[in-house]
Amino acid sequence: KNQVEQSPQSLIILEGKNCTLQCNYTVSPFSNLRWYKQDTGRGPVSLTIMTFSENTKSNGRYTATLDADTKQSSLHITASQLSDSASYICVVSGGGSQGNLIFGKGTKLSVKP
Amino acid sequence: AAGVIQSPRHLIKEKRETATLKCYPIPRHDTVYWYQQGPGQDPQFLISFYEKMQSDKGSIPDRFSAQQFSDYHSELNMSSLELGDSALYFCASSPGPDQPQHFGDGTRLSIL
Repeated sequence: KNQVEQSPQSLIILEGKNCTLQCNYTVSPFSNLRWYKQDTGRGPVSLTIMTFSENTKSNGRYTATLDADTKQSSLHITASQLSDSASYICVVSGGGSQGNLIFGKGTKLSVKP
Repeated sequence: AAGVIQSPRHLIKEKRETATLKCYPIPRHDTVYWYQQGPGQDPQFLISFYEKMQSDKGSIPDRFSAQQFSDYHSELNMSSLELGDSALYFCASSPGPDQPQHFGDGTRLSIL
């Protein structure tokens, strides 16, 4: 069964600290993996998109890694800011017209001053 | 940069009423997707359109219908509304199938 599992479910860190969010998937076939940031009541905003051949991709303070062999991805946030407080959703695409997107349940990150 | 526009942002309806949600994709995006996100849930895919034709169908109830118009905007029509239809309804657009999707801010539908 195609699944995307994220950990931890929630995380509280102090402003300025780094953190790493995990995503494990069992989606086949695999097209790409995306990390989205979703503020409460807002639409998900794309942070990174990685294909099978990409190991790492950065977007400012966000760095995503992908290990296609172990089917694991991580999102590392450096020097966290209060505005980083949001849900971070890992989405895996199996290809196709809808992209066959499989959404993880997200990690709720709270950055405290 | 232009984003996906959804209207209305908030909508309150009573049971058995009808509702129409609208989505205006990013210019030159020909693919539109609709998602339903219940409280604390991940988005559930409802339906998608590519070049004004339905391209894929997910867990969309028979009470709902949708279409994409010649200007590429899309409307989700919902009838015989039920309490369980209360959710955030997101629209996303992409420049083609299996291209990265850009999400709107959603329409929050509340059924009383």
